[in-house]
Amino acid sequence: DTAVSQTPKYLVTQMGNDKSIKCEQNLGHDTMYWYKQDSKKFLKIMFSYNNKELIINETVPNRFSPKSPDKAHLNLHINSLELGDSAVYFCASSQPGTGVMGEQFFGPGTRLTVL
Amino acid sequence: AQKVTQAQTEISVVEKEDVTLDCVYETRDTTYYLFWYKQPPSGELVFLIRRNSFDEQNEISGRYSWNFQKSTSSFNFTITASQVVDSAVYFCALSSIQGAQKLVFGQGTRLTINP
Repeated sequence: DTAVSQTPKYLVTQMGNDKSIKCEQNLGHDTMYWYKQDSKKFLKIMFSYNNKELIINETVPNRFSPKSPDKAHLNLHINSLELGDSAVYFCASSQPGTGVMGEQFFGPGTRLTVL
Repeated sequence: AQKVTQAQTEISVVEKEDVTLDCVYETRDTTYYLFWYKQPPSGELVFLIRRNSFDEQNEISGRYSWNFQKSTSSFNFTITASQVVDSAVYFCALSSIQGAQKLVFGQGTRLTINP
């Protein structure tokens, strides 16, 4: 059983298009995240949702809009794609408790290429 | 602000050698978590270890060991008798225990084990 899944795995698109990446977790976790890994392998948090509520919103262009229809899903919509958006996007989930940070389980990643 | 530094960008060793990956961190938190993740060529992120700042005991898991030194803000990772399958990019990461529990990653160290 896949714990954290993302679709699609690869996404190739033209500049200016709008695209979405979907993430689902079947671990029953309350918290989900989006991370971006650039071409130099640097990983950085973008967003985090806890029980469908946005709790982390790093300095990300507002062309990026996360949506959490329920706590098992966190989708990422990107408007007006730019060349610099090319990266691997990882979804993750965890189950934080009081004073305890659960391990973050990562999805397989979505490689986005903007031409 | 939190910061993680992995000064070694790339390391290359011959199989069966021991290798240590360095990690130095900065945080104002008095309690925090430290992590190591492995990213093999296939691209997924594999959780290796989580260490609570309360606990400075070193940990060993098979050929892997971790040395946490709060006095020098370091959390180094050693692979003993390295194998070709250990070739990957390794990330050290830091998270607060309270509040928004995002992972702050180091730049990663690309480890190549040559046969």
